Amino acid sequence: EPEVTQTPSHQVTQMGQEVILRCVPISNHLYFYWYRQILGQKVEFLVSFYNNEISEKSEIFDDQFSVERPDGSNFTLKIRSTKLEDSAMYFCASSADLSYNEQFFGPGTRLTVL
Amino acid sequence: DAKTTQPNSMESNEEEPVHLPCNHSTISGTDYIHWYRQLPSQGPEYVIHGLTSNVNNRMASLAIAEDRKSSTLILHRATLRDAAVYYCILRDGWGGGSNYKLTFGKGTLLTVNP
Repeated sequence: EPEVTQTPSHQVTQMGQEVILRCVPISNHLYFYWYRQILGQKVEFLVSFYNNEISEKSEIFDDQFSVERPDGSNFTLKIRSTKLEDSAMYFCASSADLSYNEQFFGPGTRLTVL
Repeated sequence: DAKTTQPNSMESNEEEPVHLPCNHSTISGTDYIHWYRQLPSQGPEYVIHGLTSNVNNRMASLAIAEDRKSSTLILHRATLRDAAVYYCILRDGWGGGSNYKLTFGKGTLLTVNP
């Protein structure tokens, strides 16, 4: 069964450093998403991406965040200058289309900012 | 997104049916009812969705009240693997704008006893 993959599974970084979280969505999917979940809290939407541009972003997704689909398979989330409060699980998701609406989530990347 | 209300936690015994309720009294005519679940240390996983009629799939059944102000996710025979947080989410089915994202609440933590 096709699945969304994410690398790395765990990333440790120093405050102020740049990190790139990588995702490989399901191959025929057209819509891509990033969510995050701070430990013990709700899953929060960050950004959605379609047709090589951002479709929607949340208030969390400020100028420190960016997304890119550098080739036909990868979808990345970059945090330019990490803060302690960026420590969270980051989940990538993809969906085939909007009308059907089922989103497939990856296993997540645990980001720890020291 | 319209708001949903779910119990914080529920408990069940293995191999017994489980009925997880969700109230959504402000649901609009174009809102689909989605259920996702999150197993421990994993990303969210799609379970089922519906609009007006009851729905069945290999994982669960979704019973939707006639006035659509509430719904119930039914696991016919709970297994230990079904222990997870279950989220009831409303999404506008007409696409565009804020319809890309999933808005997660706190969900219901289901404990399955052996």
